[in-house]
Amino acid sequence: NAGVTQTPKFRILKIGQSMTLQCTQDMNHNYMYWYRQDPGMGLKLIYYSVGAGITDKGEVPNGYNVSRSTTEDFPLRLELAAPSQTSVYFCASSPRGGTDFKTQYFGPGTRLLVL
Amino acid sequence: AQSVTQPDIHITVSEGASLELRCNYSYGATPYLFWYVQSPGQGLQLLLKYFSGDTLVQGIKGFEAEFKRSQSSFNLRKPSVHWSDAAEYFCAVGARGGADGLTFGKGTHLIIQP
Repeated sequence: NAGVTQTPKFRILKIGQSMTLQCTQDMNHNYMYWYRQDPGMGLKLIYYSVGAGITDKGEVPNGYNVSRSTTEDFPLRLELAAPSQTSVYFCASSPRGGTDFKTQYFGPGTRLLVL
Repeated sequence: AQSVTQPDIHITVSEGASLELRCNYSYGATPYLFWYVQSPGQGLQLLLKYFSGDTLVQGIKGFEAEFKRSQSSFNLRKPSVHWSDAAEYFCAVGARGGADGLTFGKGTHLIIQP
């Protein structure tokens, strides 16, 4: 199993550009999440999804959009990139139940720089 | 809403010495509790978790943590650190219901002195 994979690893955007961060998991997890990590601030939840077609906002959703058309994929869309979106973005997944419920399995991250 | 406090931003420990990283949480009931480790430029790896039962939980790489309900704490310990333990450590709390994600502390940066 590859686990959670994210692309790209690193990207530089100009202010006002848009891009999509890709996230795929092969663990058949129902729940998927997007977090952003800023220095000294821990991780903040952007959006999450409990299954295909169902998404919900987290703590810091402004400036982002998500979709979930399949169990495996959970892309994060940035529209009109701003310098405040410079961050490291992590995708995670977790099972719906069992002993691993709420346990987040993380991808390697996407480092985004907006100039 | 839940919250997590990791009081120590940086901790320096000599190789071979014992380690304790502090974590305090705020939540109305007993939450799910986690410790993750992040090496530079890497994602987060689960060290251990507490769901219920025995309040002393064992994790990978020789780490353990103890849940103390009376103190709302979930401190991480290791009896003897290795240079490879140098990393960022995050404590996180999850609500028992719902599918929303975890709330993370701001992290503790562990430095190992030779």
